[in-house]
Amino acid sequence: DVKVTQSSRYLVKRTGEKVFLECVQDMDHENMFWYRQDPGLGLRLIYFSYDVKMKEKGDIPEGYSVSREKKERFSLILESASTNQTSMYLCASSTDSPFNQPQHFGDGTRLSIL
Amino acid sequence: GESVGLHLPTLSVQEGDNSIINCAYSNSASDYFIWYKQESGKGPQFIIDIRSNMDKRQGQRVTVLLNKTVKHLSLQIAATQPGDSAVYFCAETGDNYGQNFVFGPGTRLSVLP
Repeated sequence: DVKVTQSSRYLVKRTGEKVFLECVQDMDHENMFWYRQDPGLGLRLIYFSYDVKMKEKGDIPEGYSVSREKKERFSLILESASTNQTSMYLCASSTDSPFNQPQHFGDGTRLSIL
Repeated sequence: GESVGLHLPTLSVQEGDNSIINCAYSNSASDYFIWYKQESGKGPQFIIDIRSNMDKRQGQRVTVLLNKTVKHLSLQIAATQPGDSAVYFCAETGDNYGQNFVFGPGTRLSVLP
C-alpha cells in the first residue's frame, strides 16, 4: 500500500513565524501535492511538483512556497504565517505511469496560527 | 475529532441498507473519476475509480456508476455498515497525468444502528 506520511498531526504557531510542513511518500511517485481543506470549501490545491526540484502553482499559492530536493519528500513553507492560514493541510502523491492514477493522501496536519 | 465539513449535505441510512451518494461534475472533458472516503481525523482514502470508457465498475461492496450524458457520478455502498460513516467526495480530471483533479464538496454518510 502507498504510504504518505506527514510529520505532524497538529501544529500551533504564532503569526509571523516561518512554518515548515513535511511530507514523505514511500512509493517512488513522481507527483506530490499540497492541499488545504477548509469547511465548506473542499480541497484546494496550493502547489504540486512533478519531479525533483520542479514545482507548479496551484489555485491558492499566495503566502506559501514549496521545496522538493528529494523525490520522496515535499515540504510546504509558510513564509510568514497569518491567522487565515489556519487550516487542515493534506499532502498527496501519485504516479503518472500508467496514466490516470489516483492521488494518495496522508492523514493531514491541522495547523493553528495564533 | 476534526470536522471535515460543517455544511455538507448528509445522508442517513439504516445499518444493512444500501447507500447511494451522488456527484455532479461540470467538465465534459473529464475522463477519469475517483471516489474518496474521509473519516474524522484522517486523510482521504481511495475507494474506487472509473474511466470514461466505462459506465459501471464494481469493487468490494461498492459500485460506481458514470453517466456522461448528464455528467453524473454515483457511489453505491451495499449493506452499509457503521464503519462506512464518513465524508465521501468525488474527484474528476481530464489530465492524463493526474495532476489537475477537481474535488467535489463531499457528502456526509451517517449510518444509523
